[in-house]
Amino acid sequence: GENVEQHPSTLSVQEGDSAVIKCTYSDSASNYFPWYKQELGKGPQLIIDIRSNVGEKKDQRIAVTLNKTAKHFSLHITETQPEDSAVYFCAAVDRGSTLGRLYFGRGTQLTVWP
Amino acid sequence: NAGVTQTPKFRILKIGQSMTLQCTQDMNHNYMYWYRQDPGMGLKLIYYSVGAGITDKGEVPNGYNVSRSTTEDFPLRLELAAPSQTSVYFCASSWTGETQYFGPGTRLLVL
Repeated sequence: GENVEQHPSTLSVQEGDSAVIKCTYSDSASNYFPWYKQELGKGPQLIIDIRSNVGEKKDQRIAVTLNKTAKHFSLHITETQPEDSAVYFCAAVDRGSTLGRLYFGRGTQLTVWP
Repeated sequence: NAGVTQTPKFRILKIGQSMTLQCTQDMNHNYMYWYRQDPGMGLKLIYYSVGAGITDKGEVPNGYNVSRSTTEDFPLRLELAAPSQTSVYFCASSWTGETQYFGPGTRLLVL
């Protein structure tokens, strides 16, 4: 099956700085890549996703980039705020063969210091 | 819509006891999932279902069982609890098999 690696495992930034989280995947057939945010004591929540026919997607302060050749994708958060502090998970899925099954990275604990 | 609801929120089990973790969704989603999340780790898929009457194993199914008799409910059964099953359990559902909506989780401690 798919194997998703996520780095770094922890990330600390000053409020207002940018944060970048990177993920690599092993299955070249994977074509859907969501990012989830998990706040303390809650379930993960989708914040942005990207499909393999797109190289970049933005939503206000959040952006995701995808490099299919290198099989890696990244989450970029600009102008970070304390409320961005959470655990972020990347995931990958091959919609063609295993539709409905996401493979998650191990997560990144982001801390934004005021 | 309440979304995905899970009960109980927290439970302590003794080794060898059994219990059922309940999961219900009111979004008419076909896809439902059970994950476990160990401290400092990511989400590992236990079982999933693509519709009523259809279930399949994920990465870590040993020690668990599921059933899907209705679209709304997807209970997870632990037959003989072991300390290794101490974890936080999340249920999720999806309409398309892409975006997954997670419940608030059940924290289980096996002593």
